[in-house]
Amino acid sequence: AQKVTQAQTEISVVEKEDVTLDCVYETRDTTYYLFWYKQPPSGELVFLIRRNSFDEQNEISGRYSWNFQKSTSSFNFTITASQVVDSAVYFCALSEANYGSYDKVIFGPGTSLSVIP
Amino acid sequence: EAQVTQNPRYLITVTGKKLTVTCSQNMNHEYMSWYRQDPGLGLRQIYYSMNVEVTDKGDVPEGYKVSRKEKRNFPLILESPSPNQTSLYFCASSSTGTETQYFGPGTRLLVL
Repeated sequence: AQKVTQAQTEISVVEKEDVTLDCVYETRDTTYYLFWYKQPPSGELVFLIRRNSFDEQNEISGRYSWNFQKSTSSFNFTITASQVVDSAVYFCALSEANYGSYDKVIFGPGTSLSVIP
Repeated sequence: EAQVTQNPRYLITVTGKKLTVTCSQNMNHEYMSWYRQDPGLGLRQIYYSMNVEVTDKGDVPEGYKVSRKEKRNFPLILESPSPNQTSLYFCASSSTGTETQYFGPGTRLLVL
């Protein structure tokens, strides 16, 4: 069975600090997708990234970066120079890839990040 | 403007009274999904659709129905709502060609 673990329930950092959110997944599939989503205090869901299982290249988007390591079944998310606007709950997710990216999506429990000014 | 809309945004209903939550996207996306979010249980996928007339069950499909008769719409039907379906519901869409997934604003449902 597929599973996503986000061991950090809550993290607090001071503004401008770097922070890494951990995500560990379990799957028997060789083809799958991994995702990160953001849910700010206002409640909407925001897609951040999708990564397929064959692409282990790290991704950088502005202050955000993602480290995918199949050897440790991890897909960690780092925010560099955190800002108050980064305060949110962040979800990691995993999907099968029967037809496409969003088949049988399983979410982790989320990590609540508070960035203190 | 790229948009996923959901209606209603808030709904209070009673057990057993059939209801439909609509979801519509204006981006010609093939993929659409429904999720529910509950305290302590997190986010869970209910149903997804790969294209018109093609749907499949997610993690928690019991008590829900969906249909995909048109590409832009993906309604979620609760034929006989029960209190355990009280939740925050999100619809989402994406294209098979691009990876970004767009979410609706959410529908908060209370079943008494």
